[in-house]
Amino acid sequence: GDSVTQMEGPVTLSEEAFLTINCTYTATGYPSLFWYVQYPGEGLQLLLKATKADDKGSNKGFEATYRKETTSFHLEKGSVQVSDSAVYFCALSDLETSYDKVIFGPGTSLSVIP
Amino acid sequence: DTAVSQTPKYLVTQMGNDKSIKCEQNLGHDTMYWYKQDSKKFLKIMFSYNNKELIINETVPNRFSPKSPDKAHLNLHINSLELGDSAVYFCASSQIYGYTFGSGTRLTVV
Repeated sequence: GDSVTQMEGPVTLSEEAFLTINCTYTATGYPSLFWYVQYPGEGLQLLLKATKADDKGSNKGFEATYRKETTSFHLEKGSVQVSDSAVYFCALSDLETSYDKVIFGPGTSLSVIP
Repeated sequence: DTAVSQTPKYLVTQMGNDKSIKCEQNLGHDTMYWYKQDSKKFLKIMFSYNNKELIINETVPNRFSPKSPDKAHLNLHINSLELGDSAVYFCASSQIYGYTFGSGTRLTVV
């Protein structure tokens, strides 16, 4: 079945450091890909998405490019802030094989220290 | 205005009790979901309803029963609560791409 794999955390960075969180997926069909963010004590929020190969999703300084050839959707940010401390989830939705069901990766916890 | 609201936010109860969690969305979305997040933050879908009709029913014990009185509401009833049911339960809704999540209900079974 479809699945998402993420790099294990926790990840700890200093403020203004470069962030990469790796994400790879397995899907039968042609999925849409997402990054969600969960701040402490809150629900998940959609951070960015991409629906076809080579699309780049971007939001709040975060970017991720849909790479079909490597089945990857890595999240990057050039300069992290303390307020970016959260858990980040890579996810996919494959309408061909699972009606509107979003499958989440295990999440990567990020802590940014001043 | 809150888009997806869940109540209660916290729920502490004893083993064997029956409890309900309510969810309402004011986004006009057709599809609603329940997800369970365990202590390691892993999210697993439980149920999905589209316009009051059950679409997805993952491998969930029969003690869990969703109810959708209309497309804006999806409640979760849990019978005979067990220690392993302790988790954060998230309601979500969607229309096309991407979910809108509620802020979660932290259930603790003691």
